[in-house]
Amino acid sequence: QVQLQESGPGLVKPSGTLSLTCAVSGYSIGNGYYWSWVRQSPGKGLEWIGEIVHIGKTNFNPSLRSRVTISMDTSKNQFSLSLSSVTAADTAFYYCTRNNNYSLDRWGQGTLVTVSS
Amino acid sequence: EIVLTQSPGTLSLSPGDRATLSCRASQYVMDTRLAWYQQTPGQPPRLLIYGTSTRATGIPDRFSGSGSGTDFTLTISRLEPEDFAVYYCQQYGPSPLYTFGQGTKLEIK
Repeated sequence: QVQLQESGPGLVKPSGTLSLTCAVSGYSIGNGYYWSWVRQSPGKGLEWIGEIVHIGKTNFNPSLRSRVTISMDTSKNQFSLSLSSVTAADTAFYYCTRNNNYSLDRWGQGTLVTVSS
Repeated sequence: EIVLTQSPGTLSLSPGDRATLSCRASQYVMDTRLAWYQQTPGQPPRLLIYGTSTRATGIPDRFSGSGSGTDFTLTISRLEPEDFAVYYCQQYGPSPLYTFGQGTKLEIK
């Protein structure tokens, strides 16, 4: 059974960089599928951030593209999100997901990241 | 960007009732690229339906999806207590690849 688990700091200072990792179990991410990051805040609902596949190809939400990096480490079976120049508007629950059939079929439990000094 | 508008914002029904949730897209959405999710408090969204009408693994057959073009519907034939939650539609299409509706809250009447 495929499981995803997010980890990373729960508090980031304004103008800093948010960094999260998603550990995947039950499936080797080097075998395929795209893997995404999605966030959810009360003010903006669910927002797709971007995705990556094992060959290194990425796609991003244009609204965040300039601040986002997504990378993958197949040897550790994990992928990561980096979001720079954060503000209070980036406070949200961050989820990692697996993409399948034009939908997101597996989700991590999510991690709350608060941007505050 | 394709904008998804869900209605109603809140739906108040009783266990055993039939629920009909609507999702309207600002542009044409291919039927293979429309999905529905259920979210309960403190939990991540759970995929219910993909490809407009295909139930995800383990989803009971009281959940069904239909529609085409710009109008899509999630129907729950007979509400169980665990079905009271927030429901989101999602489309895959032009950039950004994934967009979501704002959600419909299904609450107990």
